[in-house]
Amino acid sequence: QSALTQPASVSGSPGQSITISCTGTSSDVGGYNFVSWYQQHPGKAPKFMIYDVSNRPSGVSNRFSGSKSGNTASLTISGLQAEDEADYYCSSYTSSSIVVFGGGTKLTVL
Amino acid sequence: QLQLQESGPGLVKPSETLSLTCTVSGGSISSSTYYWGWVRQPPGKGLEWIESISYSGSTYYNPSLKSRVTISVDTSKNQFSLRLSSVTAADTAVYYCACSSWYSKYWYFDLWGRGTLVAVSS
Repeated sequence: QSALTQPASVSGSPGQSITISCTGTSSDVGGYNFVSWYQQHPGKAPKFMIYDVSNRPSGVSNRFSGSKSGNTASLTISGLQAEDEADYYCSSYTSSSIVVFGGGTKLTVL
Repeated sequence: QLQLQESGPGLVKPSETLSLTCTVSGGSISSSTYYWGWVRQPPGKGLEWIESISYSGSTYYNPSLKSRVTISVDTSKNQFSLRLSSVTAADTAVYYCACSSWYSKYWYFDLWGRGTLVAVSS
C-alpha cells in the first residue's frame, strides 16, 4: 500500500488561509470517509486534528476544516497564526483494513 | 485523563529484537472502547503505522512489517507491547504508542505517547 501524496511544503502569511491536499486512490481516500489529519510540531508527538474527513475533535480550533472530493482530501487552515507552523499528515483507512499516512507537509507561516 | 508512556531500550543491535512497552494510566486498558497501536517515524521522515490491537485482542498489521511484528496486551500491568524482530538500520525511528480512546476505530489515534527513539546499531 503506497503512502498518500501530500505537497512537501506550503506557506502563508498570518491571517491568510491555506489548503493542504492529500491524494490517494479509490481503495483508501476515495473509498471511505475515514480520512484524518494530524499536526506535529518539531520534537513533539502528533496531534489529532480532523477525523471522518471533516469532523473536529473537542478542543481543536474551528480554524481547521477538512473536506474531500474524489480521491483527494484537503485540510484548510483559515486565519493563519504563527503557532500553526508545523508538519501536517493525512491518514486514511484502506480496503486492505490497514492504515496509511501521507508523506507529510511542512507549513511555514511567513 | 488517559496518558501513555513508552519505555524500552534506546539501542538495539542489528538482527536482534526490538521490544517496547506502553504503560497506560488514567484508565483501563481493557475498556471496550479503546484501540491501542504503534506508529513510528524515522528521523526526518514521515509517520508509518505499525500495528493496532483491540480490547478483545483483535490485531491489525501493516503488511510490510507483519512478518516481524507482534503486539500484545498485559491487562494485569495495564500495558501493551511491541516486538519487532530481525531489525536493521532502517528500523531506526521514534516509536510512538497511541490510542483511539473516543472513536472506537483503530485507524484513528486521538491520544499519543511522547515517543521513544530507538537506534539500530552495532
